Amino acid sequence: DAKTTQPNSMESNEEEPVHLPCNHSTISGTDYIHWYRQLPSQGPEYVIHGLTSNVNNRMASLAIAEDRKSSTLILHRATLRDAAVYYCILRDSMDSNYQLIWGAGTKLIIKP
Amino acid sequence: NAGVTQTPKFRVLKTGQSMTLLCAQDMNHEYMYWYRQDPGMGLRLIHYSVGEGTTAKGEVPDGYNVSRLKKQNFLLGLESAAPSQTSVYFCASSDPDGDTEAFFGQGTRLTVV
Repeated sequence: DAKTTQPNSMESNEEEPVHLPCNHSTISGTDYIHWYRQLPSQGPEYVIHGLTSNVNNRMASLAIAEDRKSSTLILHRATLRDAAVYYCILRDSMDSNYQLIWGAGTKLIIKP
Repeated sequence: NAGVTQTPKFRVLKTGQSMTLLCAQDMNHEYMYWYRQDPGMGLRLIHYSVGEGTTAKGEVPDGYNVSRLKKQNFLLGLESAAPSQTSVYFCASSDPDGDTEAFFGQGTRLTVV
């Protein structure tokens, strides 16, 4: 399975944009890039995903590099409620025995 | 729409005791998963199922068994609990397509003393 690399932690000020990077240099052409987050004492929740083009939804934006070897999750205006661990994961659309393999993620700290 | 529901939410076991964790999903998903999460770590896949009546081993299957007798339920069993199995357990479900999201339960905090 392709793997991802993320910084262990990042800090940001409240009300400012946050850019969370993810490297996935061994990504295959059929891998979707998924982002999840885990708030304290909760289960992971879906944030966003994409294949090649940049994606936007009500929670965040996903910017995918042209060679797809890296991506960036963008929180446009971070609030204290966005403090969580963010996971970048690859999911192969052609994998019939789909296994989500998780790294340690990036712990996002929001300063008031 | 309840999504993914795990029971129980908390449990304390003595070493050697057995128990079953239940995961139920109401989204008609084909795939279901059991993960464990130790402090400061990401999730590690224990077992998964790609359909009713099928199960497969993940990264850390030793000491656990699973069953998927009904599509909506995925059971995780510990036959003889050990302190190393103290962890938070998460269940998830999804459609097979990589272009879809996975849904997670709220977790079961298990302590083995």
